[in-house]
Amino acid sequence: EAGVAQSPRYKIIEKRQSVAFWCNPISGHATLYWYQQILGQGPKLLIQFQNNGVVDDSQLPKDRFSAERLKGVDSTLKIQPAKLEDSAVYLCASSSLAGLNSGEQFFGPGTRLTVL
Amino acid sequence: RKEVEQDPGPFNVPEGATVAFNCTYSNSASQSFFWYRQDCRKEPKLLMSVYSSGNEDGRFTAQLNRASQYISLLIRDSKLSDSATYLCVVNMYGNKLVFGAGTILRVKS
Repeated sequence: EAGVAQSPRYKIIEKRQSVAFWCNPISGHATLYWYQQILGQGPKLLIQFQNNGVVDDSQLPKDRFSAERLKGVDSTLKIQPAKLEDSAVYLCASSSLAGLNSGEQFFGPGTRLTVL
Repeated sequence: RKEVEQDPGPFNVPEGATVAFNCTYSNSASQSFFWYRQDCRKEPKLLMSVYSSGNEDGRFTAQLNRASQYISLLIRDSKLSDSATYLCVVNMYGNKLVFGAGTILRVKS
């Protein structure tokens, strides 16, 4: 079974530039998550989708971050404009409906963003 | 107060040692609890769920104390391959997982 795919794996940009990350969840997983993991911290949920609807985006800095999940499969997370404090690993995860209760989320390898 | 708090470590232990990690959480209404493992520069992976009655999976034992809002993970007979960061995870506010900052374990030969 293919896992969660993310691209790019690494990205270096200058502050005030824009960047976009892509995620393809495990086939059939209805729930998709984007997390931000700053060095030395645990992953922090940015946004959660159920199919193509947003379930929770309470911690998404909406003045600069946006995310979409058109057609309920792939998802894109965008930052515009980037700030130095956005340097982090951006993790995409997915779970099945059963996984919502079991707590099992499957994570992709992440995109390591460095903002200079 | 952080929603999920862990001792960051690192815990440096010899092979074969027993080591225990603790975690506290702030929301008394939390319903489910987990330990995830994260290897260096890798993604987190579910290690085990934590049940009220306690549960064991091989060398790993997880326990929950709801009254004290406290979760623990015990690793017996540590192996070099157990070296990783262990993330305490709490399902709060419905189906939203809140991750602790993690505890670093280094097992040395």
